[in-house]
Amino acid sequence: GENVEQHPSTLSVQEGDSAVIKCTYSDSASNYFPWYKQELGKRPQLIIDIRSNVGEKKDQRIAVTLNKTAKHFSLHITETQPEDSAVYFCAASPTSGGGADGLTFGKGTHLIIQP
Amino acid sequence: GAGVSQSPRYKVAKRGQDVALRCDPISGHVSLFWYQQALGQGPEFLTYFQNEAQLDKSGLPSDRFFAERPEGSVSTLKIQRTQQEDSAVYLCASSLTVSNQPQHFGDGTRLSIL
Repeated sequence: GENVEQHPSTLSVQEGDSAVIKCTYSDSASNYFPWYKQELGKRPQLIIDIRSNVGEKKDQRIAVTLNKTAKHFSLHITETQPEDSAVYFCAASPTSGGGADGLTFGKGTHLIIQP
Repeated sequence: GAGVSQSPRYKVAKRGQDVALRCDPISGHVSLFWYQQALGQGPEFLTYFQNEAQLDKSGLPSDRFFAERPEGSVSTLKIQRTQQEDSAVYLCASSLTVSNQPQHFGDGTRLSIL
């Protein structure tokens, strides 16, 4: 099955600086890669996603890049703000002939924005 | 609000008891997923429904876990003879169609087995 590795487990950056979180996946057939933000005790919230037919996607301060050859994808947050502090999860969706698209998640990155 | 709704938010049960967790997906969403999230970990896939059909239950940890979605809308995850290792947050997600569409999560049910 799919295996997703995520690094780093904790990331502390100064407010206003950029943050980068990296993930690798094992199943070359995976073709959908969402990123979720989860605050303590709350639901995971989708912040951006990318499909394998594109290499980069941007939404305001957030961008995701995908390298299918190397099987890795990254989340980039620019001009970080205190409200960006949370746990971020990457995920990959392995394809299945049955149409089951259960996500395989990384272990998460605790992003801390220092004022 | 039309988000995914789960109940109860918290459930405490004694080891050996049966529990039932409910998920109301976003109206009209075809796909429904259950995940288990242990403390400090990412969600782990349990099972998937397309309408009322359970197409994948490969992530269910044992035969004590059972899920249903009889009318293709509300789903129930049942755990029989609960054990301490079942303690976790159980998350439900739904998506509009069947293939690689954004999954929208509920707040989850935090299950504690004493």
